Amino acid sequence: KAGVTQTPRYLIKTRGQQVTLSCSPISGHRSVSWYQQTPGQGLQFLFEYFSETQRNKGNFPGRFSGRQFSNSRSEMNVSTLELGDSALYLCASSLGADYYGYTFGSGTRLTVV
Amino acid sequence: AQTVTQSQPEMSVQEAETVTLSCTYDTSESDYYLFWYKQPPSRQMILVIRQEAYKQQNATENRFSVNFQKAAKSFSLKISDSQLGDAAMYFCAYSRQGAQKLVFGQGTRLTINP
Repeated sequence: KAGVTQTPRYLIKTRGQQVTLSCSPISGHRSVSWYQQTPGQGLQFLFEYFSETQRNKGNFPGRFSGRQFSNSRSEMNVSTLELGDSALYLCASSLGADYYGYTFGSGTRLTVV
Repeated sequence: AQTVTQSQPEMSVQEAETVTLSCTYDTSESDYYLFWYKQPPSRQMILVIRQEAYKQQNATENRFSVNFQKAAKSFSLKISDSQLGDAAMYFCAYSRQGAQKLVFGQGTRLTINP
């Protein structure tokens, strides 16, 4: 059974640009959530999607957005990149309820220069 | 807001010995779940063990067990017979029933000495 796949693994962008990250969940998982991991702030929740609907959102500016497609794949977009957006972005998939826990991908390392 | 605190930024243990990682959390909820995740240098977060708050029995997964003290809001992880492959960052996480999100602690870096 394939795990959670995140692409690309590494990304370097210039300040002011925008970026799109992709996440393919485990087959059968309908929930996808995104987290930002930085040395200073640790792991912070961005948002969660279930069956193409955003169910929960963290405290991030509107530059951070996401969406989920009918096949449960999800994309995260960050517009007008800032240096502080440099981070490891982790995607997690789940069957849809907290009870089941979450399976994470290996993340996308975004560097903004 | 719920918070999770891991008071040990770093821990080290000799191979084959036992180590306990501490975690406390703050919540006013009664229905929630607690998790320990391991993050090796490969970056992938791996679920180690899970505990439902309504269960009094402590969860166990092979060499990994937890000491869940609900009244004290404490959730420590015990690793028995430590192995070199256990070296990683360990994160304690909380999820309120229905929240569909995890709140993480700051992590504990575990080193295994051969």
